[in-house]
Amino acid sequence: KNEVEQSPQNLTAQEGEFITINCSYSVGISALHWLQQHPGGGIVSLFMLSSGKKKHGRLIATINIQEKHSSLHITASHPRDSAVYICAVEGGTSYGKLTFGQGTILTVHP
Amino acid sequence: EADIYQTPRYLVIGTGKKITLECSQTMGHDKMYWYQQDPGMELHLIHYSYGVNSTEKGDLSSESTVSRIRTEHFPLTLESARPSHTSQYLCASSGTGGMDEQFFGPGTRLTVL
Repeated sequence: KNEVEQSPQNLTAQEGEFITINCSYSVGISALHWLQQHPGGGIVSLFMLSSGKKKHGRLIATINIQEKHSSLHITASHPRDSAVYICAVEGGTSYGKLTFGQGTILTVHP
Repeated sequence: EADIYQTPRYLVIGTGKKITLECSQTMGHDKMYWYQQDPGMELHLIHYSYGVNSTEKGDLSSESTVSRIRTEHFPLTLESARPSHTSQYLCASSGTGGMDEQFFGPGTRLTVL
């Protein structure tokens, strides 16, 4: 079993739909990262969080440390949101070393 | 916008050649990383550095080597490329704090024939 599990692996939505991607992890962490990877391969950091909730535009990330679970929500989805969304965890003493989930492929149709 | 650069972006090379993938950042970050990603697969850490003259191997075994002689520069070298080294290589950096956002370069897509 991987240390970081994401679900679903593939997600198709219609423009405007509310989207949720889930991430569960099995180790103690100091932080959890949500990343976005576009087809060209470039990766952008969306959020880094260790507790509670963060919001940036239409994106919201939450984490429940006790349940070892995080969610990434996209409100009013748009075709330009189509990408691979990756959850990664940073261990307690790892200082930047990330362990990655397998990614969720999101496709938003107009 | 992240100021982290990788060259070349694409490289096709024959078996046995020595190659160096370049990574530079202008943000003054102490921590730098190399990740390997096969198509459709998750990223794996292969090397990291916490500062000048500091390099460590990551979680995924790799035949590549790295050096960190200057803060801004973290090149990766393969002494003798093989087809099994075909992959995408991503460089990243983060700041000096205990928990910092990572900034990723655009990646180098390596094909070894």
